[in-house]
Amino acid sequence: AQSVTQPDIHITVSEGASLELRCNYSYGATPYLFWYVQSPGQGLQLLLKYFSGDTLVQGIKGFEAEFKRSQSSFNLRKPSVHWSDAAEYFCATYQAGTALIFGKGTTLSVSS
Amino acid sequence: ETGVTQTPRHLVMGMTNKKSLKCEQHLGHNAMYWYKQSAKKPLELMFVYSLEERVENNSVPSRFSPECPNSSHLFLHLHTLQPEDSALYLCASSQVLGGEYNEQFFGPGTRLTVL
Repeated sequence: AQSVTQPDIHITVSEGASLELRCNYSYGATPYLFWYVQSPGQGLQLLLKYFSGDTLVQGIKGFEAEFKRSQSSFNLRKPSVHWSDAAEYFCATYQAGTALIFGKGTTLSVSS
Repeated sequence: ETGVTQTPRHLVMGMTNKKSLKCEQHLGHNAMYWYKQSAKKPLELMFVYSLEERVENNSVPSRFSPECPNSSHLFLHLHTLQPEDSALYLCASSQVLGGEYNEQFFGPGTRLTVL
């Protein structure tokens, strides 16, 4: 069955430092991949998505992600983290005919 | 109103109560979803409605009963819940095209506490 794995449960980054959140997927064909962010007590907001084409995807709030088929990865990056980026981040995928499958999430803390 | 709205935002109920959660999407989408998010657990897909027909029901207990009267509204009727049902319940919508479900847009959730 198709799945996504987020290996890091919790990451702490200093404000202004770069960020990379890991996501690995298992799927034979080209997957559809998403990153969502959830602030405390809120719903999920779509940061970016990959369907096909350019493997480097730009999203909102200065985030980007790179699809690497050889590594089955879709890691989320940001060059300089702001305190407001502290939240929970979810990687997700789906195959044709089903709804989204989410990873377990990575909690990002930002230290000053 | 824009996007996906959910009411109420917070709900406290006893195990013998009956209550309903409401979700409304203002995006013109044709699919709606209910998710359960518990502490320290991944998001659990509960129900999927596409074109107002239930297309997925992931072994959810019968004490949760969904209703989708039209493409803009989705309800989750609750009765005789258990304390372990306390969670954040998220509603989402998307546009299904040619069998592709596409990205989902989420509401802010209803924080449910069962006493």
